[in-house]
Amino acid sequence: GQQLNQSPQSMFIQEGEDVSMNCTSSSIFNTWLWYKQEPGEGPVLLIALYKAGELTSNGRLTAQFGITRKDSFLNISASIPSDVGIYFCAGHLRQGGKLIFGQGTELSVKP
Amino acid sequence: GAVVSQHPSRVICKSGTSVKIECRSLDFQATTMFWYRQFPKQSLMLMATSNEGSKATYEQGVEKDKFLINHASLTLSTLTVTSAHPEDSSFYICSANHRQGALTDTQYFGPGTRLTVL
Repeated sequence: GQQLNQSPQSMFIQEGEDVSMNCTSSSIFNTWLWYKQEPGEGPVLLIALYKAGELTSNGRLTAQFGITRKDSFLNISASIPSDVGIYFCAGHLRQGGKLIFGQGTELSVKP
Repeated sequence: GAVVSQHPSRVICKSGTSVKIECRSLDFQATTMFWYRQFPKQSLMLMATSNEGSKATYEQGVEKDKFLINHASLTLSTLTVTSAHPEDSSFYICSANHRQGALTDTQYFGPGTRLTVL
């Protein structure tokens, strides 16, 4: 089936460092969404991207919808311990359709 | 805005019993909701798409007679795990599709339900 390739799988960084993760696909997506999930909780939406080339920020988070519609990245600047969690990219191939998920990036931040 | 609730958050049941999980969109209407299952350290696995007023669409390999889905209103979908067995123990998460305008579908997730079948 359709897949999103998300990398890296895990990251161990020092507090204050910047973080970058990305997702790529062989298919064209209508929407790119970035979520964060903490243990025992459902995913929480961080950023939603709807147009090719769109660059959106949410506090220390910045994400972009690739111009080819086949990729997206998420950057976190000046990481803090509460950034710890698993980050998922997800995309819609069509409006109202099911989400395709990346495999997740597990982020660990050392104080 | 765009809050989705799930109830219960945790449930423990005996093998052979049925368990119902509710998913509600609290501040928006959702014609489409989704049910996922998640195993530890893995991504979400879509089980079915719940459509208001019509039958759910199940993913390949998901037994529709075991996982009954009802989407009776624009703010409520329920998942019933029938005749639960220990292998059904998992984290179940729902999401609701929020459409604010053309080409702006966004899925918001509930907090999840931890099911343990003894």
